[in-house]
Amino acid sequence: KQEVTQIPAALSVPEGENLVLNCSFTDSAIYNLQWFRQDPGKGLTSLLLIQSSQREQTSGRLNASLDKSSGRSTLYIAASQPGDSATYLCAVRRTTDSWGKLQFGAGTQVVVTP
Amino acid sequence: DVKVTQSSRYLVKRTGEKVFLECVQDMDHENMFWYRQDPGLGLRLIYFSYDVKMKEKGDIPEGYSVSREKKERFSLILESASTNQTSMYLCASSPPQGRSPLHFGNGTRLTVT
Repeated sequence: KQEVTQIPAALSVPEGENLVLNCSFTDSAIYNLQWFRQDPGKGLTSLLLIQSSQREQTSGRLNASLDKSSGRSTLYIAASQPGDSATYLCAVRRTTDSWGKLQFGAGTQVVVTP
Repeated sequence: DVKVTQSSRYLVKRTGEKVFLECVQDMDHENMFWYRQDPGLGLRLIYFSYDVKMKEKGDIPEGYSVSREKKERFSLILESASTNQTSMYLCASSPPQGRSPLHFGNGTRLTVT
């Protein structure tokens, strides 16, 4: 069974600092990995999707890396802002699963203080 | 931008009632999904559909059924609501296959009393 772990569960940083969020998974046979953002009481917003053949993806201040062999992905958010405060979740799609199934991590709750 | 709309943000129902949660997407996506999200348990897949009238069970289908009569609409049905189905329900859609990101609606917070 695929286990997806996000550590730490919560993180607080001052505005302007870079954020580093970690996601680890036990089964390296993945199809792709996605990072999402969730604001309190809302749905998930897709941030970045990395296919298994890729090493990283970038969008603005966000950069996500993928190391399949070590079962890790890292989401970097440069120059954090209070508006980045949210919960960040990663999700993997395994090659051995029905394609519709994603395994989600529990998320990292981020607070960026002004 | 993809828009996934869930018909209710908050819903309160009584035990034993039949409950319908509706989801509509406007991007002509083949795939649609229903998840529930609970503190400490994270997101869990209930059902998904890869085409009209096609469905597949997720990890926790017990107590739920789904309907997809039109491509843009995916309904989750609680045949007889129970208190342990109190949860946040999230609908999502995506293009075919598994290479594209999921787009989520804003969720329906269901309380069963």
